[in-house]
Amino acid sequence: EVQLLESGGGLAQPGGSLTLSCVASGFTFSTFALSWVRQAPGRGLEWVSAISGSGVTTFYADSVEGRFTISRDKSNNTLYLQLSSLGPEDTAVYYCAKQRGFSAAADIFDYWGQGTLVTVSP
Amino acid sequence: DIQMTQSPSTLSASVGDRVTITCRASETIKSWLAWYQQKPGNAPKLLIYKASSLESGVPSRFSGSGSGTEFILTISSLQPDDFATYYCQQYKTYSRTFGPGTKVDIK
Repeated sequence: EVQLLESGGGLAQPGGSLTLSCVASGFTFSTFALSWVRQAPGRGLEWVSAISGSGVTTFYADSVEGRFTISRDKSNNTLYLQLSSLGPEDTAVYYCAKQRGFSAAADIFDYWGQGTLVTVSP
Repeated sequence: DIQMTQSPSTLSASVGDRVTITCRASETIKSWLAWYQQKPGNAPKLLIYKASSLESGVPSRFSGSGSGTEFILTISSLQPDDFATYYCQQYKTYSRTFGPGTKVDIK
């Protein structure tokens, strides 16, 4: 059974930083691309970033390019998202999502974690 | 970026009703469209991919159609478990975008 378990959310100051983690199980970690998708309170879904199965290729939404960094570690089956220069607009539940293929390019999300809430407030 | 729109934004229906939700893309995405269901407090769940392919384990009352710029999600007979918000998502480009969602609530 595929499982994705996020952690690391919490309260951050404007301009501050935070690192999110997602531990994956139930599939061969290096075979599939992974993404982060966020959802602001009461709002819709916004794709944030994707990383290929190998970790070599990454993509970012314009709204986070230069501020967020996605990475993955196959030694512990963990996906990361480093958030920096945070603003109130980054307040959201951040979901880790498995893609159907190896490539970080456009793809569907076939499994999702339960999400971790990031709140940016003074 | 490709913009996605959905209509209606809210839909009130009864158990047993046939429900249709429309999703439109700002440019052609061929059949690179997925549909997700999300219930309050839960993560989204994949229902349909490649516009009309039913994800494994999803009830057959869900179906998808369309290509190019206009797509439809149909629930043939609404069940109590189907009251939720539905999102379409294009995956033609790496900056995959979601529609704003359609909330299906109880009439």
